[in-house]
Amino acid sequence: EAGVAQSPRYKIIEKRQSVAFWCNPISGHATLYWYQQILGQGPKLLIQFQNNGVVDDSQLPKDRFSAERLKGVDSTLKIQPAKLEDSAVYLCASSLVVWSSSYNEQFFGPGTRLTVL
Amino acid sequence: GDSVTQMEGPVTLSEEAFLTINCTYTATGYPSLFWYVQYPGEGLQLLLKATKADDKGSNKGFEATYRKETTSFHLEKGSVQVSDSAVYFCALSGRIGGSRLTFGEGTQLTVNP
Repeated sequence: EAGVAQSPRYKIIEKRQSVAFWCNPISGHATLYWYQQILGQGPKLLIQFQNNGVVDDSQLPKDRFSAERLKGVDSTLKIQPAKLEDSAVYLCASSLVVWSSSYNEQFFGPGTRLTVL
Repeated sequence: GDSVTQMEGPVTLSEEAFLTINCTYTATGYPSLFWYVQYPGEGLQLLLKATKADDKGSNKGFEATYRKETTSFHLEKGSVQVSDSAVYFCALSGRIGGSRLTFGEGTQLTVNP
């Protein structure tokens, strides 16, 4: 079974530029998550989708970050304009949610390492 | 809100030593608890989990017990190997299926031969 795919793996940009990351979840996984992992810290959820709807974007800096999952499969996370403090690894994860279960495992992609200069 | 606290600082051990990485949490209700591992150059992988009080999660020789009375989920391994060198993250999620994961800050483990 193919895992969560992300691209690009690495990106270097100047501050105030724009950048976009792409994620393709595991086939059949309805729930998709984007996490930000700053160096030396644990991942922090930015946004969660259930199919093509947003479930939780409470920690997404909406003045510069946006995300979409138009067809309920792959997703794009965009930053515009980027700031120095956006330098981090952006992780995508997906899960097959069974609402009657107390937990559904999240599977993580390899991440995109963003450096903002 | 929910939070997870891990022991501070990197851990360096010799091969075959005993490992403990402390993890405590704050959450409403009864969360599910996890340990994730991140090997160099790789993505996050689920190491073990426990979904209710007194459950013990175990995998690859690692163990952790869900202690509601002390709100803890400490990771242990009786004899570490060089290949266990990685960053370990404690995490929790709410009881509703599909809930977000809240992570601790991670603990870098280095095992020397």
